[in-house]
Amino acid sequence: DSGVTQTPKHLITATGQRVTLRCSPRSGDLSVYWYQQSLDQGLQFLIQYYNGEERAKGNILERFSAQQFPDLHSELNLSSLELGDSALYFCASSEEQSDTQYFGPGTRLTVL
Amino acid sequence: GEDVEQSLFLSVREGDSSVINCTYTDSSSTYLYWYKQEPGAGLQLLTYIFSNMDMKQDQRLTVLLNKKDKHLSLRIADTQTGDSAIYFCAERDNFGNEKLTFGTGTRLTIIP
Repeated sequence: DSGVTQTPKHLITATGQRVTLRCSPRSGDLSVYWYQQSLDQGLQFLIQYYNGEERAKGNILERFSAQQFPDLHSELNLSSLELGDSALYFCASSEEQSDTQYFGPGTRLTVL
Repeated sequence: GEDVEQSLFLSVREGDSSVINCTYTDSSSTYLYWYKQEPGAGLQLLTYIFSNMDMKQDQRLTVLLNKKDKHLSLRIADTQTGDSAIYFCAERDNFGNEKLTFGTGTRLTIIP
């Protein structure tokens, strides 16, 4: 158990809908990262937050957004969902200036 | 940009050593990681190596880094059925980004 929690574990929704994925980092970790794992794109970095502020952005679509709250939990919002958004979404956390990221169990999103 | 490559499949007999290879292109990589993903599970950090090291050993795991050839390998001694999983190598660059760039993953199958 990495100490990073993600909810929900599974999510099934329809095209055009909007969903919110939630992540709680390990106790004391200030950085949160979101990654997407899909069959065609592999594991791709989406976005990073550090202590509430956006720190780095990767291949994140404009339909996707994220935020980190004062209690350091983070949410990834996915809107106008398409079939191709079906994937495993991972959250990871790390200490400030740490060299290791610890991953949560992921949320499996299925868009029908 | 960064690119990390791995072969997709490896089959090894139980009790033998497994060697999983990875090549990367970013010469500014500071840390290189190995993660393990079991079916339906998240990413488990196995080990990592700093770019100024050649080798790191941790129980059954040995990581070798050839920085000149940008080649990283993970050796698992006395491979067991519980080692069946997908193994990802990942690199982190030196430009203040903490994001990880992952390889495609190598699926390790253990032959009884």
